[in-house]
Amino acid sequence: EAQVTQNPRYLITVTGKKLTVTCSQNMNHEYMSWYRQDPGLGLRQIYYSMNVEVTDKGDVPEGYKVSRKEKRNFPLILESPSPNQTSLYFCASRTAYEQYFGPGTRLTVT
Amino acid sequence: QQPVQSPQAVILREGEDAVINCSSSKALYSVHWYRQKHGEAPVFLMILLKGGEQKGHDKISASFNEKKQQSSLYLTASQLSYSGTYFCGTEQQDTDKLIFGTGTRLQVFP
Repeated sequence: EAQVTQNPRYLITVTGKKLTVTCSQNMNHEYMSWYRQDPGLGLRQIYYSMNVEVTDKGDVPEGYKVSRKEKRNFPLILESPSPNQTSLYFCASRTAYEQYFGPGTRLTVT
Repeated sequence: QQPVQSPQAVILREGEDAVINCSSSKALYSVHWYRQKHGEAPVFLMILLKGGEQKGHDKISASFNEKKQQSSLYLTASQLSYSGTYFCGTEQQDTDKLIFGTGTRLQVFP
């Protein structure tokens, strides 16, 4: 089944404790993205990657890192999480026409 | 820059029609439409490209006015399953970013 997977689905952590949210797709897509979703603000792009080893900032990259060492994986790294990064995070991969979203990761930073 | 969606919310009875609008101040290459049901990831509905090409579900219709940088999503004879939040996403000519609006919440009642 064609899909984007994310782990973990839910995460509660404390300020400053480094964490990684994994993302993997099995559709051989070159383009992958990370978004955060907050009430009233819609989906905001954090980082995107056009291909392996190529990443670029989206609209809200501060406090996040990404890496793209393999085509299928695109992990999101929070080196020192803060409460304002509490949000619902979506990974996505896309073709030229259609974007597929992962199931989401709900992160709470206390 | 985030596209502007209107209205912010719509309430319908089954069988009624609705139009959701999306506008941008930038020259657009494409407009995407997605629907997100509560607790789920956004799902692709349609893409409209500069030049008139469209790809998407047969039961969904939309338009793209390239001169005005506006798109409209037409929901006719609404069904209960149409309920959810609709997002438009826009791509500009000179970037690789897909930027989403803040969403339109649609509720359909029996």
